[in-house]
Amino acid sequence: SAVISQKPSRDICQRGTSLTIQCQVDSQVTMMFWYRQQPGQSLTLIATANQGSEATYESGFVIDKFPISRPNLTFSTLTVSNMSPEDSSIYLCSVATGITTTSNQPQHFGDGTRLSIL
Amino acid sequence: AQSVAQPEDQVNVAEGNPLTVKCTYSVSGNPYLFWYVQYPNRGLQFLLKYITGDNLVKGSYGFEAEFNKSQTSFHLKKPSALVSDSALYFCAVRDKGYQKVTFGTGTKLQVIP
Repeated sequence: SAVISQKPSRDICQRGTSLTIQCQVDSQVTMMFWYRQQPGQSLTLIATANQGSEATYESGFVIDKFPISRPNLTFSTLTVSNMSPEDSSIYLCSVATGITTTSNQPQHFGDGTRLSIL
Repeated sequence: AQSVAQPEDQVNVAEGNPLTVKCTYSVSGNPYLFWYVQYPNRGLQFLLKYITGDNLVKGSYGFEAEFNKSQTSFHLKKPSALVSDSALYFCAVRDKGYQKVTFGTGTKLQVIP
């Protein structure tokens, strides 16, 4: 299974600023995902990031607010831009280790970034 | 379209008793089904999966799950609960041939000493 390091683990930010979250994987993976999780609640997919292509955003999420980079097969970043208190949440990086989109392999998750906006 | 439901927000069970965390799903084709556990301040950890074959699948930490096609269910079970099993549990489904996984709303398991 993949080991995922996510940084920072938590942060407190001022309204209107931006924060970039880093996700480093110990092996090459095709698909990386970024999720948002309100405390004690389920996961909401923000976008899918495949190396060599633009990220695919889910309904309700836009690139201007959540720009994503995927420079290689082991690294990705998610930026939360122009933050407001509504952006306070847990942000999770996840990877799928299968080489195809139809793989039956489970996803693996980082420990998340706990973000509070004042 | 695919969906998954976890009808219980919280399950309480006494230590040493069997536990069940319920999950039902809806897919148009054949499902891949997963259970994950989340401990406080951690990401989700994979417990077990059903792909095909035997309806009873065994996973980590003594957990198992039973796939029931007629009832479209995939309930998580453990014969004897431990206090350390207390966590948030997520069921997830992916329709074969579909890229994305859909997660349930989560069930908080509280094991009482």
